Parts: sequence; structure tokens; C-alpha cells
Amino acid sequence: AQSVTQLGSHVSVSEGALVLLRCNYSSSVPPYLFWYVQYPNQGLQLLLKYTSAATLVKGINGFEAEFKKSETSFHLTKPSAHMSDAAEYFCAVTNSGGSNYKLTFGKGTLLTVNP
Amino acid sequence: KAGVTQTPRYLIKTRGQQVTLSCSPISGHRSVSWYQQTPGQGLQFLFEYFSETQRNKGNFPGRFSGRQFSNSRSEMNVSTLELGDSALYLCASSLYPRGNYEQYFGPGTRLTVT
Repeated sequence: AQSVTQLGSHVSVSEGALVLLRCNYSSSVPPYLFWYVQYPNQGLQLLLKYTSAATLVKGINGFEAEFKKSETSFHLTKPSAHMSDAAEYFCAVTNSGGSNYKLTFGKGTLLTVNP
Repeated sequence: KAGVTQTPRYLIKTRGQQVTLSCSPISGHRSVSWYQQTPGQGLQFLFEYFSETQRNKGNFPGRFSGRQFSNSRSEMNVSTLELGDSALYLCASSLYPRGNYEQYFGPGTRLTVT
């Protein structure tokens, strides 16, 4: 079984400050990990993915995440927050190999950016 | 290339009725998955279809069903609607068997059951 825990349902930062959204996963086999962003009344947009290549993954809009196997973590960061980053962020996991396309999501973290 | 499209975007139904939601995947994508999003339960996997066959199913009652057509378009149906079925239903498509399990989501259908 696989699971995802996102620490902090709500994170508030000032514009220009570092963004850090935490994600820990549990998986019995090597995982594929994803971060998605959801803006109000919209679907999910893929920010970045880890698929067993480089452990530091760069995504869109200046976001990046680092896969740390020893800590079973995949935290999302951005050096400088922008007002347009305000949204809900979801971490997700699926198992590598086979034909398993089921994504297991965390509960989400709502990011607020203050001017 | 056009993204995943879902119709309708909004739907209001009454308890006991049934509803059908439609999803058109990105051109060339043959795997379609459905998810339910609610404030209480978050994002939950419903089922996944590939080549007109259901390959995976989540933990939902039999009132929730789906199908996929030969052109990869998919529909999901919910019968005997309950108030708790009010949710955002998201469809996602994937480039199976190629691609690294990336799923691309549509805008969703917001279902309200009264």
C-alpha cells in the first residue's frame, strides 16, 4: 500500500519569501512522485515529477523538489514566492513498474501569499 | 495540442437520480482515470480505463461505474445519487504505455446533489 502525508494544511508566506511545502510518502516499492497545483475552480496542473532519475527535480514556475529516500520525503520549494503562487498544492505517489496508474494523493496544502 | 476536456462543467441533480459525466483525453492518450474530490475525503481514485477495459478500481460502491470507447473517450455514471456524491469529478489521461505515469487532468465536473 502507498500513502502520502502533507504536513501543514495551510502555509502562509510573504511575497518574495521562501516557499517550503512538505511531503512524506510511504511505498513498498520504488515510487514515482508528483506535485500538482490546483487554482480555484480548476483541475490539477502537473508541477513536477520524480521518476528515479535525478533526485533534484525542477518544475514549472520556478518550483523544484528533492527526493530523499532515507527520509521518504519529496518536499517542494521555491526561492521567492509570487502572488500568483497562491493555490492548493497536492503531492501524489504511484508505484513504478507494472501498469498501475492509480495516483494516491495527500490532503493538500493551501498556500497563501501575503503582499 | 488540446488538453483534457470534461462535460458538463457544472451539474445539479436530485437525490435518487442518475448522472453521466464525459471526458475526452488528450489526443494520443489511451489511459483515462477518474477521481473524486471532496473537502472531507480529498482526492480519491475511482477507476482507470485503457483500451476499453477497466484496469484498476478504487474503493467506491457499485453505483459508480464507467466505460471507455474505442476513441479513448470515457464516461462515468453514478446511479441513485446521494447527497454525499456532491463533489468535483476529475478526469485524467496518460500516455500509457509510454510516459512516466504522468497524468494530465481536465477542469472537472462540479456535481451538486440536492
